[in-house]
Amino acid sequence: NAGVTQTPKFQVLKTGQSMTLQCAQDMNHNSMYWYRQDPGMGLRLIYYSASEGTTDKGEVPNGYNVSRLNKREFSLRLESAAPSQTSVYFCASSSGDTQYFGPGTRLTVL
Amino acid sequence: GESVGLHLPTLSVQEGDNSIINCAYSNSASDYFIWYKQESGKGPQFIIDIRSNMDKRQGQRVTVLLNKTVKHLSLQIAATQPGDSAVYFCAGRGGSYIPTFGRGTSLIVHP
Repeated sequence: NAGVTQTPKFQVLKTGQSMTLQCAQDMNHNSMYWYRQDPGMGLRLIYYSASEGTTDKGEVPNGYNVSRLNKREFSLRLESAAPSQTSVYFCASSSGDTQYFGPGTRLTVL
Repeated sequence: GESVGLHLPTLSVQEGDNSIINCAYSNSASDYFIWYKQESGKGPQFIIDIRSNMDKRQGQRVTVLLNKTVKHLSLQIAATQPGDSAVYFCAGRGGSYIPTFGRGTSLIVHP
């Protein structure tokens, strides 16, 4: 089992560019999540999907969209990147209480 | 909702010592707490959890203590090793099935 995988690992964007962060899990989990992590901060929830076909906003959803493509995959899209979106992005999945995290995508917006 | 916070941003210990990392939470209705370890360049990794009907839970070299009276929990690591160097997060769940994360304590283990 690969667990939770994320692509890309690193990305540099210019302000206004768009991109999609990919996440996939092979644990047959129902719930998936996107978090961002900024220096000195904990993880903040952007969006989550409790099950295939549903998505909901988290604490900091502005500037992002998500798609739960199927049970395995949950993507995060930045339509028009801003410097404030420079961060490390983590995807997670869960079935029950424990969340399992991917290795993260380090995004820099210039 | 829930708000969690860690008391110290950095904790330095000597190899072999016991480490104690503290965390406070705000919601007295919180029913579940988790500790995560995050090594540099990696995602958070589950260490141990505890439910609100317990006040202590032990794992391998780790113990979590929960004091609901003062809304405080702690992670104790016995015989700290260099491989324990990481950022440790507590997370609490109150009112939602999704936990809220604290800011993290960086544990530095000196040989």
